Amino acid sequence: GQNIDQPTEMTATEGAIVQINCTYQTSGFNGLFWYQQHAGEAPTFLSYNVLDGLEEKGRFSSFLSRSKGYSYLLLKELQMKDSASYLCAASDSNYQLIWGAGTKLIIKP
Amino acid sequence: GAVVSQHPSRVICKSGTSVKIECRSLDFQATTMFWYRQFPKKSLMLMATSNEGSKATYEQGVEKDKFLINHASLTLSTLTVTSAHPEDSSFYICSAKYRDWGYTFGSGTRLTVV
Repeated sequence: GQNIDQPTEMTATEGAIVQINCTYQTSGFNGLFWYQQHAGEAPTFLSYNVLDGLEEKGRFSSFLSRSKGYSYLLLKELQMKDSASYLCAASDSNYQLIWGAGTKLIIKP
Repeated sequence: GAVVSQHPSRVICKSGTSVKIECRSLDFQATTMFWYRQFPKKSLMLMATSNEGSKATYEQGVEKDKFLINHASLTLSTLTVTSAHPEDSSFYICSAKYRDWGYTFGSGTRLTVV
């Protein structure tokens, strides 16, 4: 079956760094997405990885290891506005997104 | 680019009535659109995939007669919740595929059935 696993909740301190992990099992693979979702809003795109390695985009970076079925989202210099849910989604052989349940990130001052 | 406009953002309706939600791709042609439902503190649940000019493909457990999806043009897909009940209250989100790997989301519709 197809499955995405990510932690339910994480807590970090403002100004610190946090890494949100995601493991996936899909029928075929066409990339791994990370989305940010604030309460009551639709998800917004953060990153896309289809090749192994680290993609850096400002304070956010995303890493992919296809052989391990593993990805992480790294958030640096955390700000209070980064408090949100972070959704991991893998694209399968039909380009359908398989969603994780999301990781709620709580930022404390 | 790749903007999807979803309306309404919030709607309250009475039990037994029908509600239509629209999603429009503003600056690209969306041959494929997805409709999701999201319960509080839960991830997105795919309801159906619609392709322009053909019938939507519904996920298992989703009633096609209750959730009518129409994708009549390359820029518009609609979801109609028919004979709404309080248990249909949820957050509905559309998403359009704009290239092999690109997906963009509408802003979502909060439906409350009273």
